[in-house]
Amino acid sequence: AQSVTQPDIHITVSEGASLELRCNYSYGATPYLFWYVQSPGQGLQLLLKYFSGDTLVQGIKGFEAEFKRSQSSFNLRKPSVHWSDAAEYFCAVVIGTASKLTFGTGTRLQVTL
Amino acid sequence: GAGVSQSPSNKVTEKGKDVELRCDPISGHTALYWYRQSLGQGLEFLIYFQGNSAPDKSGLPSDRFSAERTGGSVSTLTIQRTQQEDSAVYLCASGGAAGETQYFGPGTRLLVL
Repeated sequence: AQSVTQPDIHITVSEGASLELRCNYSYGATPYLFWYVQSPGQGLQLLLKYFSGDTLVQGIKGFEAEFKRSQSSFNLRKPSVHWSDAAEYFCAVVIGTASKLTFGTGTRLQVTL
Repeated sequence: GAGVSQSPSNKVTEKGKDVELRCDPISGHTALYWYRQSLGQGLEFLIYFQGNSAPDKSGLPSDRFSAERTGGSVSTLTIQRTQQEDSAVYLCASGGAAGETQYFGPGTRLLVL
């Protein structure tokens, strides 16, 4: 079945440590790929997106993500996490001519001081 | 300019009542989406409007749900005869052409007692 998988439900990292959040998709074609962040009680904010071209994309707040076609992955990374990064992170895709976003189940990030 | 706005921010209603949720998209955006975020189901697509085309209603969970978009701008999501399982955060997003970035509003938190 076509899906978006975020295998880590909850991750805890120390402030200043590096971060990688995993995202895999299972679709025949390469979708448009997105990472969104949601702080408690807030809507979704776009961190970055991949449509085509350079497979390493830079986003806001120091985040980056790398598209790997061979692994059907689009993992989100940050070299040094700040306490304010604590939030829930969603990977999402748009497939072909369908416009709707299909979301993963999210990864909740906790940052310890 | 202003982002996507939604009203009300919170709504408490009794089972069986009808509710209307409003979304004001970003000016000039031709696409408008409704999503639902609930504990059990995660983030789900509900309905998509693009310009004057017929809406994609494929995500509406039952015929109690309907939505309209007037004048290509403001949208209203209506839930008739609300049930407790309708309790969720309803998110609206707007964007440009199909597949382009969607910008989310803060959501309406609906609680059905």
